Amino acid sequence: GAVVSQHPSWVICKSGTSVKIECRSLDFQATTMFWYRQFPKQSLMLMATSNEGSKATYEQGVEKDKFLINHASLTLSTLTVTSAHPEDSSFYICSAPRRDRGYEQYFGPGTRLTVT
Amino acid sequence: GENVEQHPSTLSVQEGDSAVIKCTYSDSASNYFPWYKQELGKRPQLIIDIRSNVGEKKDQRIAVTLNKTAKHFSLHITETQPEDSAVYFCAATPRNQFYFGTGTSLTVIP
Repeated sequence: GAVVSQHPSWVICKSGTSVKIECRSLDFQATTMFWYRQFPKQSLMLMATSNEGSKATYEQGVEKDKFLINHASLTLSTLTVTSAHPEDSSFYICSAPRRDRGYEQYFGPGTRLTVT
Repeated sequence: GENVEQHPSTLSVQEGDSAVIKCTYSDSASNYFPWYKQELGKRPQLIIDIRSNVGEKKDQRIAVTLNKTAKHFSLHITETQPEDSAVYFCAATPRNQFYFGTGTSLTVIP
């Protein structure tokens, strides 16, 4: 089946540093990818829609300058958490819809970010 | 964006009983309604989905019903088993964007 990978699977960084998370569609092309944030025991919150070759679309309340998204190719989107703070600690998940399968979403395994 | 409400937030059932989780949505542009099961620290797994031209869909012990007029859809799990214990999320998808419900933590008691 379709596979979406994320790297790294977990990362610990110091407050004030930036962290980049990669999302890759391994066996299909994705012009659109989605980034979610999930707090413990809570739902997935859509942060932004990543569009290949154009700017990302951010959900209301999500800081564009804080969460930089780059969709450089049809198989790769990156999320950079800039100047990370402890409150940015969370589980970040990406997903990619597959057009030839009715836009069924394929989720990455997630990235656990801990900011100390 | 879309507003998806999900109830209940927690649900405990005895093994063998049925479980029902309900969701409502607000954006009439939503035409695809998937349900996901998520185990702790893992990615959501699609368990069943329904499109707006269908009122009900069943796959073995799992069924989903959709009332597009009322903007609500439900997940039904029959003959529950301990391995059904997990967090379940519904989603509504206006314009191919996915908005998730708040989740239901299901516990099946052996």
